[in-house]
Amino acid sequence: EPEVTQTPSHQVTQMGQEVILRCVPISNHLYFYWYRQILGQKVEFLVSFYNNEISEKSEIFDDQFSVERPDGSNFTLKIRSTKLEDSAMYFCASSEGGSRYGYTFGSGTRLTVV
Amino acid sequence: DAKTTQPNSMESNEEEPVHLPCNHSTISGTDYIHWYRQLPSQGPEYVIHGLTSNVNNRMASLAIAEDRKSSTLILHRATLRDAAVYYCILRDNTGTASKLTFGTGTRLQVTL
Repeated sequence: EPEVTQTPSHQVTQMGQEVILRCVPISNHLYFYWYRQILGQKVEFLVSFYNNEISEKSEIFDDQFSVERPDGSNFTLKIRSTKLEDSAMYFCASSEGGSRYGYTFGSGTRLTVV
Repeated sequence: DAKTTQPNSMESNEEEPVHLPCNHSTISGTDYIHWYRQLPSQGPEYVIHGLTSNVNNRMASLAIAEDRKSSTLILHRATLRDAAVYYCILRDNTGTASKLTFGTGTRLQVTL
């Protein structure tokens, strides 16, 4: 069964450093998403991406965050200057279409900011 | 986003059916009903979704009330591997890339 692949599985970074989280969505999917989950809390939407541009973003997705699909297969989330409160599991997801289709999530990247 | 209400937790014995309820009284005509689950230390996993008619797949069945104000996810024979948090989510069909808004879900415990 096709999978969404995320790398790395765990990233430790110092506060103030830039991090890039990588995702390879399912190849025929058109919609891409990033979510995060702080330990013990709900899964939160960050951003959706379609047709090479951001479709929607949440309040969490401020100027420190950016997304890119650099080469037609990868989908990246960059955090420019990490804060302690950015520590969380980050999940990438992709979908074939709109709400008539389910999402496929990756297994996540655990980001720890120290 | 229209909201859903689910019990915080439920318990089931292994090999027995489980009915996980979800209320969504403010659902609109364009909302699809999606169910996802999250096993411990894993990402969310798609389970099933539907609009008006009941749906079956290899994982579960989805029973949707005639007025669409509630739905029930049915696991026909629970196993220990089904222990997870189950999320009922309404997804608006009008947006191009409509997001999922996760609530707190129902934590399902399965015992021997």
